Amino acid sequence: GAVVSQHPSRVICKSGTSVKIECRSLDFQATTMFWYRQFPKKSLMLMATSNEGSKATYEQGVEKDKFLINHASLTLSTLTVTSAHPEDSSFYICSASGRSYEQYFGPGTRLTVT
Amino acid sequence: DAKTTQPPSMDCAEGRAANLPCNHSTISGNEYVYWYRQIHSQGPQYIIHGLKNNETNEMASLIITEDRKSSTLILPHATLRDTAVYYCIVSQAGNQFYFGTGTSLTVIP
Repeated sequence: GAVVSQHPSRVICKSGTSVKIECRSLDFQATTMFWYRQFPKKSLMLMATSNEGSKATYEQGVEKDKFLINHASLTLSTLTVTSAHPEDSSFYICSASGRSYEQYFGPGTRLTVT
Repeated sequence: DAKTTQPPSMDCAEGRAANLPCNHSTISGNEYVYWYRQIHSQGPQYIIHGLKNNETNEMASLIITEDRKSSTLILPHATLRDTAVYYCIVSQAGNQFYFGTGTSLTVIP
């Protein structure tokens, strides 16, 4: 299957700082990328849908000014958690969808806010 | 919101077939049934998907009922490495996924 990478794999930051997470599709062009977060022992929750060159569409309850998403190219989307707080600590996962019908998921980024 | 319901957990003996059910009674005509699995602290892994017909690949088989209101994922010879949470998702092609709670499958030696 297609390969999606995320960087960093884990990050620890102090409360009030911002953190950027990158999601790359390595061997295909992703017209759409999705961002999810997952709390311990819970399922994945969709945060936003991102199409290349346009503004992201956020799910209800997800603050667009706190979770900034940029999808500047067909192979890269970034999620920036602004002014992070301990409650933002979570496992953030991206996925990418190209011309096929599958979504390919990245390995995830573990964010810990102290 | 997720449009699927799955049993929260299942056990399967190593080497036997694992049959994981999923109900999706409100599925629309243009929605596919996707199956993914997630091993602890990793991103979900694609397994298989289908629209109407049964599908088979090197990992699994997908059986979709004629009315499309339910499906079953079959792992023909389960191994210990198949222990994971399995998610059944219905979605239009290329659209966002809304995950349900999934089935935690434990393969027992």
